[in-house]
Parts: sequence; C-alpha cells; structure tokens
Amino acid sequence: EVQLLESGGGLVQPGGSLRLSCTTSGFTFSSYAMSWVRQAPGKGLEWVSAIGGGGRSTYYADFVKGRLTISRDNAKDTLYLHMNSLRAEDTAVYFCAKHAVVAATPIDYWGQGTLVTVSS
Amino acid sequence: QTVVTQEPSFSVSPGGTVTLTCGLNSGSVSTSHYPSWYQQTSGQAPRTLIYNTNTRPSGVPDRFSGSILGNKAALTITGAQAGDESDFYCVLYMGSGTWLFGGGTKLTVL
Repeated sequence: EVQLLESGGGLVQPGGSLRLSCTTSGFTFSSYAMSWVRQAPGKGLEWVSAIGGGGRSTYYADFVKGRLTISRDNAKDTLYLHMNSLRAEDTAVYFCAKHAVVAATPIDYWGQGTLVTVSS
Repeated sequence: QTVVTQEPSFSVSPGGTVTLTCGLNSGSVSTSHYPSWYQQTSGQAPRTLIYNTNTRPSGVPDRFSGSILGNKAALTITGAQAGDESDFYCVLYMGSGTWLFGGGTKLTVL
C-alpha cells in the first residue's frame, strides 16, 4: 500500500525558513516523480513543485521565485521542500504527492498534508 | 496568464447525473494536457478519481467518468449520492514538468 506522510509544518515568522519532509513506503520511491501541492485556508489546490525520480530534474510554479527548493533522498525514500523567505501568503496545508511515473504523468497518490502557518 | 476554469459550484439531485467541466481561458483542453480529476471532502486529502482524461484508478466506482467535451475536459457523475458532496478539482499538464489546477467545483447533492 502506497503511504505518504508529511511532517515539518508549524508556525514560522515572516522571513523565516522551514523544511518539510515526506516519508514514503509501499512503492519503489526512486522510480517515481514526486510533487508538492499546497492549499491555503479556504482556497483551492495549487501545484508548487515536482522532482524526477533521480532527483536531477526539478520543476517549479512561477510564483515560487527561488524561495522554495524541492529535493529528495532516494536512500531514505524521503521527499523534501525547503522553504525560505516565507511570507504570510505561503500559509497553507502542504501535500506530498506521487506521480504515476514521471513528472509529466498525473498525480495518483496523496499524503494527508502538513500545515505551515507564517505569522508574527 | 493561463487560467484553468471550473464552475465554482454545481447542484445535482440524488440519483441524478452531473457533468463538471475544466477549460482554459485561452485555448482548448486536449488529451495532451493529461486532464485529471480529484475529489476532496472537507478537511481531507484529495482522492484521485480520474487521470489521463478517462482512466479510473482501482477502487473508484464507474459512476465517475472522464472525457473531452468540445474544448474542455469533463467529469461526469451518474447516480449521484449524498456522499459525493465534495470539492472537485481538475489539473492540466502545462508542459516542462509543470501543472496547473483549476479553482475547483463545489458539488452539492440535494
């Protein structure tokens, strides 16, 4: 059974940093692209970033503007999102998601999400 | 700026059929966008309903079907049930590894 478990969310001050993790099981992690998708309170889903199975190819939504960095450790079956220069508008539940194969294939599994709150 | 469009809300009677659509503010949606649909019940993680236009993952009832209708992707729900009340999101592949979600459709069954 595919399982995705996010962690690392919490309250952070504007301008601060945070690292989200997504530990996975139930599939061969290195064979699949992964994404982060976020959802601000009361708003819709917003794709943030994707990374290829090998970790060399990364893709970002335009609004990321270098503040967020996706990475993965295939030895640990873990996906990361490094978040810098956080702003109030980054407040959201961040979902880890697995793609069907490569990043150009749809998301097929989702984690439960971790809440990031940016506030002073 | 490219925007993926969805109806903000829709109502369907129990047992009825409803078709939700997913379009682009400029251009047509095609199978090359690999349109996919996700259901989200309040406070829960999204659930994959349809991917690659019309493929249902195992465990998704065949009451849910996907297609291309004209210049939009479509999700059709037949035999609507109270438990189908959810937010439905479509997502389109925009190339170069990037994806764009629609704003979601809130479905009411009454």
